[in-house]
Amino acid sequence: GAVVSQHPSRVICKSGTSVKIECRSLDFQATTMFWYRQFPKQSLMLMATSNEGSKATYEQGVEKDKFLINHASLTLSTLTVTSAHPEDSSFYICRASRGDINSYNEQFFGPGTRLTVL
Amino acid sequence: KQEVTQIPAALSVPEGENLVLNCSFTDSAIYNLQWFRQDPGKGLTSLLLIQSSQREQTSGRLNASLDKSSGRSTLYIAASQPGDSATYLCAVRRSGGSNYKLTFGKGTLLTVNP
Repeated sequence: GAVVSQHPSRVICKSGTSVKIECRSLDFQATTMFWYRQFPKQSLMLMATSNEGSKATYEQGVEKDKFLINHASLTLSTLTVTSAHPEDSSFYICRASRGDINSYNEQFFGPGTRLTVL
Repeated sequence: KQEVTQIPAALSVPEGENLVLNCSFTDSAIYNLQWFRQDPGKGLTSLLLIQSSQREQTSGRLNASLDKSSGRSTLYIAASQPGDSATYLCAVRRSGGSNYKLTFGKGTLLTVNP
């Protein structure tokens, strides 16, 4: 089956620093990638949707200047948490989708990245 | 706004027991509903996907049903095993418009005791 990887799997950083998380589709071209955030015992909350080569679409309440998303190729999307604060500590998961987003398509999730901001 | 609720939040059963996990959603205009499994600190693994026109899907010991009109889905696990211990999430994908978005429930944490 299709594989989506995330790097790093865990990161600990100091408050005020920036952290980049990579999401790669290893054996297929992902036309669309989604970034989710999951707090303990909570739902996955969609942060933003990105299509290759275009600007990401952010969900209401998500700061686009704080969570920078780049989808430079059909196999790579990056999420950069800028000037991270302890409240940004969370589990970040990407989802890669191939095919037409307006029809049934396969969805594959990355293994997640645990971010801890001290 | 679609809201997805999963009951119970946690469930502990002895090995071999059959069990049912529940998922309800407030907006019946869905494209499909999907059940996922999430192991601690890991990503999601898709278990079953039910299209809005379907009533149920089966895979091995798993059976998922969908009653779109009442906004409910159940995931039935037969003869549970310790390896089934995980968090089970349901997610609905809405129909029309930006229907690629998934709305997730908070999940049910299942523990199967040997």
